[in-house]
Amino acid sequence: NAGVTQTPKFQVLKTGQSMTLQCAQDMNHEYMSWYRQDPGMGLRLIHYSVGAGITDQGEVPNGYNVSRSTTEDFPLRLLSAAPSQTSVYFCASRQTGAGTSRNTGDYNEQFFGPGTRLTVL
Amino acid sequence: RKEVEQDPGPFNVPEGATVAFNCTYSNSASQSFFWYRQDCRKEPKLLMSVYSSGNEDGRFTAQLNRASQYISLLIRDSKLSDSATYLCVVKRPSTSGTYKYIFGTGTRLKVLA
Repeated sequence: NAGVTQTPKFQVLKTGQSMTLQCAQDMNHEYMSWYRQDPGMGLRLIHYSVGAGITDQGEVPNGYNVSRSTTEDFPLRLLSAAPSQTSVYFCASRQTGAGTSRNTGDYNEQFFGPGTRLTVL
Repeated sequence: RKEVEQDPGPFNVPEGATVAFNCTYSNSASQSFFWYRQDCRKEPKLLMSVYSSGNEDGRFTAQLNRASQYISLLIRDSKLSDSATYLCVVKRPSTSGTYKYIFGTGTRLKVLA
């Protein structure tokens, strides 16, 4: 299994440009999400999806769009890049389920992609 | 105040030392707890889940205190390869009916030869 893959690894954009960050997973996970990581801020959730055709906003969704047409892919689109979007972006996936047993649901591991380092000039 | 708080460090310790990290969380609905490890310029990876009764995995011991709302990670006999940032992660219900994973900002550990 490749796990979670992301492309590109690095990207430099000019203000106002648009681009799509790609994310794919081969673990048949229903839940996928996008985070950004900035110094001193921790990982913050941008958008997430609980299955194909279903997406929702996280805590910092402005300026980003997502879609989920297949279980495997969850691209993140920057509509009009701004310097404030300079960050490291991680895609993650996990099993869903909300059981109370130690072995199901409660302790679903999140698997992260290797990240995309984005600089907006 | 952040929902999940960690001492950012860095903790500089000699090889072989024992080091402990603490993490506090503010939402009492928090349900599950984890420690992730993140190497420099890499993605976070699960180190261990934290169970109510506490759990151990080799040199690593995790404890949970629900009453005081804190989690701890103890690393014994530190190795150079333990140098990394340790992220405290809390899972709790979100308003949309799913679950959210809230990440602390991480504690940096540097193990010195």
